[in-house]
Amino acid sequence: DAGVTQSPTHLIKTRGQQVTLRCSPKSGHDTVSWYQQALGQGPQFIFQYYEEEERQRGNFPDRFSGHQFPNYSSELNVNALLLGDSALYLCASSLGWGSKKTQYFGPGTRLLVL
Amino acid sequence: GDSVTQMEGPVTLSEEAFLTINCTYTATGYPSLFWYVQYPGEGLQLLLKATKADDKGSNKGFEATYRKETTSFHLEKGSVQVSDSAVYFCAPLSGSARQLTFGSGTQLTVLP
Repeated sequence: DAGVTQSPTHLIKTRGQQVTLRCSPKSGHDTVSWYQQALGQGPQFIFQYYEEEERQRGNFPDRFSGHQFPNYSSELNVNALLLGDSALYLCASSLGWGSKKTQYFGPGTRLLVL
Repeated sequence: GDSVTQMEGPVTLSEEAFLTINCTYTATGYPSLFWYVQYPGEGLQLLLKATKADDKGSNKGFEATYRKETTSFHLEKGSVQVSDSAVYFCAPLSGSARQLTFGSGTQLTVLP
């Protein structure tokens, strides 16, 4: 049973650039959530996708955008990168849009902005 | 919105010691409660969960009981191992929010 996968594992960008991170959900899951984890902190919710639409969004600027594909995989895009965007980006998947669904996390993509 | 308060770390224990990591939460409605573990350089792994009052979640020797009256979900293990060294996160998931809310986690180091 394939778990959540993310690519790439590591990424280095410079300020002002744009980045795209990818996530494939656990087999059978159709909902994808993205979280940002700064060093030494807990993850912060960015947004959640279900049926190819953004359903919920945390307190992140419009520079952060996403997409979900018909096969349920998802992308996170960040434009105009800032030094403060350096973090571990975690994707989590769950089954269905109902409330209180257990979320399973991938290994994350570590982004460094120079 | 939801919030969680966890025991501040770091926590350092000797192998075979008893572990308690305190967690209290505020959440709208009747949340599900989760403990996740993060090993160095990795993502989060689901450790255990509980979905209603007095439920006990358990996994790999870890246990936590959903206490609605005290809004707590303390993590316990009777005998820790060096391999349990990691960061532990408590997280409520309320029905309205559909997103996990994390605190800053508790760093556990177990010495041989």
